[in-house]
Amino acid sequence: GAVVSQHPSRVICKSGTSVKIECRSLDFQATTMFWYRQFPKQSLMLMATSNEGSKATYEQGVEKDKFLINHASLTLSTLTVTSAHPEDSSFYICSAISGDTEAFFGQGTRLTVV
Amino acid sequence: GQNIDQPTEMTATEGAIVQINCTYQTSGFNGLFWYQQHAGEAPTFLSYNVLDGLEEKGRFSSFLSRSKGYSYLLLKELQMKDSASYLCAVALYSSASKIIFGSGTRLSIRP
Repeated sequence: GAVVSQHPSRVICKSGTSVKIECRSLDFQATTMFWYRQFPKQSLMLMATSNEGSKATYEQGVEKDKFLINHASLTLSTLTVTSAHPEDSSFYICSAISGDTEAFFGQGTRLTVV
Repeated sequence: GQNIDQPTEMTATEGAIVQINCTYQTSGFNGLFWYQQHAGEAPTFLSYNVLDGLEEKGRFSSFLSRSKGYSYLLLKELQMKDSASYLCAVALYSSASKIIFGSGTRLSIRP
């Protein structure tokens, strides 16, 4: 199947700093990429949907100024957690689709804010 | 709003069969996914149903009834490695394409 690469897999940062997470589709052009957050023992919560070249659509309750999403090309989307706080510590996962296909997931990024 | 329901936890015996149900009420529908997720890992794709009916893939089968807003994932010949969370997700390819997930079902397999 298609491969989606997410980097980094783990990151620890200090409170108040910003962290960038990359999501790349390696062997297909992703028309849409999704960013999810997952807390322990909970399901994936959709944060935002991004389409190449346009602004991301954020879900209700997700601060767009705090979680900056850039989808500059058909193979790359980035999520930047700005001014991170300990409550932002979570597992962040991206997924990508090309047309009406299954969603392919990245490996996830475990963010710990200390 | 969008609503996807599935049982929180289930337990089954190795070698047996288990059915995990999922009901949904969404504005728009363009298919239903089932994913398997082991703790600390990203979800892996199991099935994608667009049309009504049963689709079989090895030990796993998935069923969809669009009129009833209902799907199930059937796992046969259960193995210990099948202990995982199973996520039901609905694709809403409307003006704002998105895929939303149910809360997930944690399946525990006992010997």
